[in-house]
Amino acid sequence: NAGVTQTPKFQVLKTGQSMTLQCAQDMNHEYMSWYRQDPGMGLRLIHYSVGAGITDQGEVPNGYNVSRSTTEDFPLRLLSAAPSQTSVYFCASSYSNRGNEQFFGPGTRLTVL
Amino acid sequence: AQKVTQAQTEISVVEKEDVTLDCVYETRDTTYYLFWYKQPPSGELVFLIRRNSFDEQNEISGRYSWNFQKSTSSFNFTITASQVVDSAVYFCALSEPNFGNEKLTFGTGTRLTIIP
Repeated sequence: NAGVTQTPKFQVLKTGQSMTLQCAQDMNHEYMSWYRQDPGMGLRLIHYSVGAGITDQGEVPNGYNVSRSTTEDFPLRLLSAAPSQTSVYFCASSYSNRGNEQFFGPGTRLTVL
Repeated sequence: AQKVTQAQTEISVVEKEDVTLDCVYETRDTTYYLFWYKQPPSGELVFLIRRNSFDEQNEISGRYSWNFQKSTSSFNFTITASQVVDSAVYFCALSEPNFGNEKLTFGTGTRLTIIP
């Protein structure tokens, strides 16, 4: 199993550009989520999904869109990048929404100029 | 609302010393889960332990031990005989699955540096 994979590993954008961060898991997990990590703030939930076709907002959803068309994939879209979105982004997945361990991807470091 | 506080921003200890990382949480539910994750300098997040709210037994895994006390809403993590490889940022996290989702609320992390 590859676990949770994320691409790209690094990305630099200009303000106003759009892009999609890819996340995939091969563990047949129902639950997937996106977090951003900023210095001194821990990890904060952006969006999450409890299954294919179902998504919901987390703590900091503004400026991000998600969709979940398959169990395996959960892409995160930045429609118009802003410098405030400079961060490290982590995708995670788990078997269900009953307190199971979440498996994290390696992260994507995004810089918006 | 759920909240996790890790008051210790940074800790430095000399190798082989014991060190305790504090975690205090707030929750409105009787069913919840607590986690510890390690983030080494390489950046990945490594799961260390999960504890549910109905199991207050302390747990030991090698040099690691966890003290869960519901009376004080704390879930502290102790490393015995610390090693340089323990240098990392450690996160405590909380989830409340009864509220319809599995979102993890993280503390701000404690950066632990082990001095050789």
